[in-house]
Amino acid sequence: QMTQSPSSLSASVGDRVTITCQASHDIGDCLNWYQQKEGTAPKLLIYDASNLKPGVPSRFSGSGSGTDFTFTISSLQPEDIATYYCQQYDNLPPEISFGPGTKVSLK
Amino acid sequence: QVQLVQSGTEVRKPGSSVKVSCKASGGTFSSNAVTWVRQAPGQGLEWMGRIIPILDMIHYAQKLQGRVTLTADKSTSTAYMELSSLRSDDTAIYYCARGIYGFQSLGYHYYYMDVWGKGTTVIVSS
Repeated sequence: QMTQSPSSLSASVGDRVTITCQASHDIGDCLNWYQQKEGTAPKLLIYDASNLKPGVPSRFSGSGSGTDFTFTISSLQPEDIATYYCQQYDNLPPEISFGPGTKVSLK
Repeated sequence: QVQLVQSGTEVRKPGSSVKVSCKASGGTFSSNAVTWVRQAPGQGLEWMGRIIPILDMIHYAQKLQGRVTLTADKSTSTAYMELSSLRSDDTAIYYCARGIYGFQSLGYHYYYMDVWGKGTTVIVSS
C-alpha cells in the first residue's frame, strides 16, 4: 500500500505545489509520477524518483529515496490542473501499486 | 514513436466475458511489457496485470487472479485482456500501457509505464 498526500489541493497560478508519497517499504529510487487530466489516459512525468520524461516541462520535478518521495510543480500553470499519482513496483511477487491520487485545482 | 491503439467500447451483461485488444502501432512490443490498468468511475488507478511477450511471462493482480487472462500475439504486436464473470463493479475504463522494466545495480527493480493507450470503456449492466 502506498500513501499519498494531500488527497486534494487548491492553489493559484504561479504557486509552488508539493505532493508527497510514502512507499510501503524501501524501494530505492524506483518511484514514478503520473499526471491524469479529466477524461484522458495517465501520462508519465517522472520516473525513478527524479528523472523527467523527455518533453515534460522543467517546472515538474521529483525527489526522494527509500520510502519517502516528493513531487513538485515549481510554478503552477492552468494546464497543470489534473490528478497526480505515484506508483511503485514490487518484484516478489511482481505487483504494481498506485497511490490514491492528488487532485490539483485552481484557487 | 510507438502508439497503443485500443479496441472500442464494450457493453456486457453480468456473468459474461469481455476481451479488449491493444495494438502497438508504429513499432513492436520489443522486449517491453504490456501492463493493464483499470479505472472505475470517479476512482483511482488499479493494476490488473502485465505480460512480457518476448519472455512469455505473465503476472496478475491477486484480486483478479482467476478472472483475468492476458495474452499477446507477437506477430501482430497486439495484446489482449480478457475478463470473465463480469460484475457491475467491473464497469471501468481499461488501459494498456507499455512497461519499461529492469533492475539497478543496487538490486532494486524498476518498472514504469511510458506509453498509454487511450482506454477502452467497459460497461457491465443488465
